Amino acid sequence: QKEVEQDPGPLSVPEGAIVSLNCTYSNSAFQYFMWYRQYSRKGPELLMYTYSSGNKEDGRFTAQVDKSSKYISLFIRDSQPSDSATYLCAMSAGSNDYKLSFGAGTTVTVRA
Amino acid sequence: DAGVIQSPRHEVTEMGQEVTLRCKPISGHNSLFWYRQTMMRGLELLIYFNNNVPIDDSGMPEDRFSAKMPNASFSTLKIQPSEPRDSAVYFCASSLGVGQGATGNTIYFGEGSWLTVV
Repeated sequence: QKEVEQDPGPLSVPEGAIVSLNCTYSNSAFQYFMWYRQYSRKGPELLMYTYSSGNKEDGRFTAQVDKSSKYISLFIRDSQPSDSATYLCAMSAGSNDYKLSFGAGTTVTVRA
Repeated sequence: DAGVIQSPRHEVTEMGQEVTLRCKPISGHNSLFWYRQTMMRGLELLIYFNNNVPIDDSGMPEDRFSAKMPNASFSTLKIQPSEPRDSAVYFCASSLGVGQGATGNTIYFGEGSWLTVV
């Protein structure tokens, strides 16, 4: 079993819909949770970063962490075609952990 | 800033040939990472340098893989001899701090080197 599980999709939604992405993990030591966005033929870029449990909102993006369930989510409101990308979750236990545990990534297509 | 610069962007080579991938990290960053991304295995850390010193090379798959960082502005990842199973996208990334655990230590990825070994 992988340390981080993420459904690879693909996920196709109409423009304006809410996109819901999630990851589960097995290592209870994880405290730092990230979402990366990767456009086709580009490198991943950090989208959201959260520490421990709770919610974090940034514009149309909301990241949620439920450590008791070992479950993290990313919501994209009012999705746009420009949101079409692969979204990878990543996590680490310590603030100085250089090795991140990545999910497989979920490919999202937002249809105009 | 120009970001992390990688070359070549695309490489097609024959099995058995030597492949050298190059990376210029963001100026001032003291952490450098080499990752490999495949459909089967996702994104894997191959090697991590801090202040030009290799700290963790446990992700390097075999002795055929080697990486160097002769100075703060340049790193190479070499595969010799290359095999078809090495076909993947290789990303170089850099950050100011040690890891992504703190917001100020954002890891910045290059656009990748797309390697095909035939």
